[in-house]
Formats: sequence, C-alpha cells, structure tokens
Amino acid sequence: GAVVSQHPSRVICKSGTSVKIECRSLDFQATTMFWYRQFPKQSLMLMATSNEGSKATYEQGVEKDKFLINHASLTLSTLTVTSAHPEDSSFYICSARDPGREVNEQFFGPGTRLTVL
Amino acid sequence: GQNIDQPTEMTATEGAIVQINCTYQTSGFNGLFWYQQHAGEAPTFLSYNVLDGLEEKGRFSSFLSRSKGYSYLLLKELQMKDSASYLCAVKDSNYQLIWGAGTKLIIKP
Repeated sequence: GAVVSQHPSRVICKSGTSVKIECRSLDFQATTMFWYRQFPKQSLMLMATSNEGSKATYEQGVEKDKFLINHASLTLSTLTVTSAHPEDSSFYICSARDPGREVNEQFFGPGTRLTVL
Repeated sequence: GQNIDQPTEMTATEGAIVQINCTYQTSGFNGLFWYQQHAGEAPTFLSYNVLDGLEEKGRFSSFLSRSKGYSYLLLKELQMKDSASYLCAVKDSNYQLIWGAGTKLIIKP
C-alpha cells in the first residue's frame, strides 16, 4: 500500500519549452502532496506543498509563475516547469502522505530527472 | 534558524555495525524520520521516532533523545546493498519536514 507514481521518469527538453510532471497516489487519497527538487549530492529541497482544490504553498525563493502546480483531484498533482532553462535541470520528486496511516510518513514517487539543453 | 546536522560521509565494512548520528535544532518537534536514498532514486521510509528511546526494526534501529536534540540510526550486519544516503528529517511545530543533507554510507567488502 501507499504507492506514489511519477511520470515521466526522465525528460530531455530544449531551453524555453515547458515540461509537465505528474504525481499520482495509486492506492490512497492524498489531500496534500509535496514537490521537491534535488541537485546532485545535495539534500531534498522542498519547493511547494500542493493542496487538493486550492492553491499551492510555495517555499521562499521558488517562483510560482515558473513552477505551476495543479492538484485537481485527490490522487493527482502536476508540476509544470515553464520556459525551462539549463539551470532547471534537476531531479524532481513528489511525495504524499496517506492520512489513513498513524505515523504520517511521506511516500515518495520514483522521481523525474529533467535535463534542459 | 532551523538546522539538522549529519555527517557527510561514513565508511563501514560488510557485516559490521554503523551508527549515523543526527542532531537537530528546530522550532518545535513533532517527530523524527529516517529515510534511505539510493543514488538516482527517491527516498524510502525507514523509521519514525516521536518518543525518547529505541525503535527496532530488523537490522535497523533508531534512537531519539528529545532533550538532547539527538537521534541515531543503527545498522547491523551491514550488507553491500546498504550503501546509500541516509536522510534525517524532523517535523517542526508547523508539521513541516525539515531535512538534513544526508549521510552517504559506503560499505566495503
């Protein structure tokens, strides 16, 4: 139980294009999902908290107009990197909490490796 | 500010025991998590401590002392597949997860 999927797993795009990443909770409903970015040999950096049916909460320094988050259903959140540039190349990981679990740990998707040429 | 400290890298021998320490200074405390992350993969949950003491789960154990702002992850009977980064994360008073930078564990035969 508590499986989170992410798609695509890898994407290579040209500078200036937009890329959409999907995050799905497969066997539970997630009112809250989290989007992280991780650069090589660094720890996870929380970008935003995605709330179903409302606007996402962005961390300081994260441009909300560049990283568009939509959480339209209890099982799906999407992150769109708009007008991507090479410095946006990173490992993007989503996670979700299963409200039915006592410990309330986050379950992570497998991640999406974005390379912007 | 909020801060979580872990050693950057540790090396241990297959079959041995290793202890990875984590100290934290956060605004409030609502639990501490340990995650394992293999290179190029997403983190996977290992353990959770909210009360003082030791939580044992097979070869892995996690200890917490809230008064000292300190936790450790103990790995026994090390296997080569345990080579990974180990992330310590604390849930603060706002229930936000604060992440440590992770400890890269290298297992040698």
